[in-house]
Amino acid sequence: DAGVTQSPTHLIKTRGQHVTLRCSPISGHKSVSWYQQVLGQGPQFIFQYYEKEERGRGNFPDRFSARQFPNYSSELNVNALLLGDSALYLCASSLARVDTQYFGPGTRLTVL
Amino acid sequence: AQKVTQAQTEISVVEKEDVTLDCVYETRDTTYYLFWYKQPPSGELVFLIRRNSFDEQNEISGRYSWNFQKSTSSFNFTITASQVVDSAVYFCALSEDSGTYKYIFGTGTRLKVLA
Repeated sequence: DAGVTQSPTHLIKTRGQHVTLRCSPISGHKSVSWYQQVLGQGPQFIFQYYEKEERGRGNFPDRFSARQFPNYSSELNVNALLLGDSALYLCASSLARVDTQYFGPGTRLTVL
Repeated sequence: AQKVTQAQTEISVVEKEDVTLDCVYETRDTTYYLFWYKQPPSGELVFLIRRNSFDEQNEISGRYSWNFQKSTSSFNFTITASQVVDSAVYFCALSEDSGTYKYIFGTGTRLKVLA
């Protein structure tokens, strides 16, 4: 079975622009979580969605938003990009909200 | 508040040596879950193990073993007879069973296994 997939793999944007990152969960998984990993640090929780509803939000500004679609795929949107948003963005899926999360390969975002 | 501490930033060993990666956690909940993930250079986090707070039994999987001790709030990971392919960054993570089911990760330990 396919694992979690994310697109694009790499992305380069300039300050002030907007970006959309996409994630497809493992088949049958209904929960998707997003994490930001800055170089040299552990992943930081951004959002969790379960059954298309937001179930948790980390300490990130309102410039970050997300949604989950009826097929359980998800998008992470970041507006008004800052240099500090440069990071690896990881998506994880789980069967249900409290099950083990399996991570995708990530999208590496560079903001110039 | 939740917190995970991985005090070892980087460890280098020679192939076939045993190595232990330390993880200390803080939580006020009685029900929680602990995890170890491996992150190779490709960037994808690979799930290794999940432990719940009610199960203190140590676990062994091939060359990997985990020692969970609630008395010291530790969940250490040992690789026996290390191999070059074990080189990666290893993360310990904690999740509580209340509120947002988010993972709190440590800062990771970079393991270098030299041939």
